[in-house]
Amino acid sequence: DVKVTQSSRYLVKRTGEKVFLECVQDMDHENMFWYRQDPGLGLRLIYFSYDVKMKEKGDIPEGYSVSREKKERFSLILESASTNQTSMYLCASSYGHSNQPQHFGDGTRLSIL
Amino acid sequence: SQQGEEDPQALSIQEGENATMNCSYKTSINNLQWYRQNSGRGLVHLILIRSNEREKHSGRLRVTLDTSKKSSSLLITASRAADTASYFCATLYSSASKIIFGSGTRLSIRP
Repeated sequence: DVKVTQSSRYLVKRTGEKVFLECVQDMDHENMFWYRQDPGLGLRLIYFSYDVKMKEKGDIPEGYSVSREKKERFSLILESASTNQTSMYLCASSYGHSNQPQHFGDGTRLSIL
Repeated sequence: SQQGEEDPQALSIQEGENATMNCSYKTSINNLQWYRQNSGRGLVHLILIRSNEREKHSGRLRVTLDTSKKSSSLLITASRAADTASYFCATLYSSASKIIFGSGTRLSIRP
């Protein structure tokens, strides 16, 4: 079974802090994704990556950056956390073409105070 | 927004009954996927149906796709308490390179 592991289930940070969310997958998937999930808004794509050192903006990249130095790891960075970035963050990975099913981690519930 | 829309937003049924959820989308797609999310967890892929398929089954799940109406339905037969979850459709549009998730249907199964 594919395993996607997110480093923290719950995280509390302060406004202005730089925040790192880490995601690791163990199935050698090319594609990795970061979403945020808010009530009534579904999942919104922040960034995705099709290969090491490659990144593409999703629908809501403002205030975020990403890093993919190794194939198995995809990091989401909040450069200067703000209260409107309080949310559930979900990482996913998939194999090959973008039409393949995505495998999700259990999410990080991030609160910015 | 190209986001798919699930209907209803919430559904509560008795254990043993069938549950039907619908998804509508806006433009032509390559495929449509359904996912389940248990409370506080990530999403789990359930089933994928391609644009040239009309129906697909997996265990107690039945998915239909009507491209002329730009809609899909997910039927869960003989529901169980463990089916309580949110269900999302996700569409891969022909013009895009990434799938787009809807806002989900919250399904509650009453014992």
